Amino acid sequence: EAGVAQSPRYKIIEKRQSVAFWCNPISGHATLYWYQQILGQGPKLLIQFQNNGVVDDSQLPKDRFSAERLKGVDSTLKIQPAKLEDSAVYLCASSLDRGTSGTQYFGPGTRLLVL
Amino acid sequence: GDSVTQMEGPVTLSEEAFLTINCTYTATGYPSLFWYVQYPGEGLQLLLKATKADDKGSNKGFEATYRKETTSFHLEKGSVQVSDSAVYFCALTNTGNQFYFGTGTSLTVIP
Repeated sequence: EAGVAQSPRYKIIEKRQSVAFWCNPISGHATLYWYQQILGQGPKLLIQFQNNGVVDDSQLPKDRFSAERLKGVDSTLKIQPAKLEDSAVYLCASSLDRGTSGTQYFGPGTRLLVL
Repeated sequence: GDSVTQMEGPVTLSEEAFLTINCTYTATGYPSLFWYVQYPGEGLQLLLKATKADDKGSNKGFEATYRKETTSFHLEKGSVQVSDSAVYFCALTNTGNQFYFGTGTSLTVIP
């Protein structure tokens, strides 16, 4: 079974530029998560989708971050414009279903450096 | 709000030593608790979980017991191996909407 795919793996941009990350979850997984992991910290959940609907985006800085999952499969996370403090690893995860006991499967992450 | 506090690292142990990584949580109600592991160069993966008080999660020789009276979910292993070297994250969710991770504890096991 193929795992969660993410691209690109690395990205370097200058502040005020825009950037987009792509995630392809495990086939059949209805729930998709985007996390931000700043160096030395644990992952912080930015947004959770159930199929193509948003379950929770309370931690997403909506003035600059946006995410979509139009067909309930792939998802993109965008930052526009980027700030220095956005330098982090962006993790995508998926699970078969929502709930408090569902196992999340994580992708390898996209490492973003904002200069 | 809900949160997780885990013991800071890094932790260095000799092979076959006993491992404990402390994790305590703050949450209303009855959260589900998880331990995730990140091996070098790999993504996070679920190690074990417990969904109600007094449950014991176990996997690959690791164990953790959900203690509501002490709001803890400490990770233990009786005899660590070099291959256990990784970063370990404690996490919780209350409703399945938001997940909260600790800062991670780096473990290095030396032969």
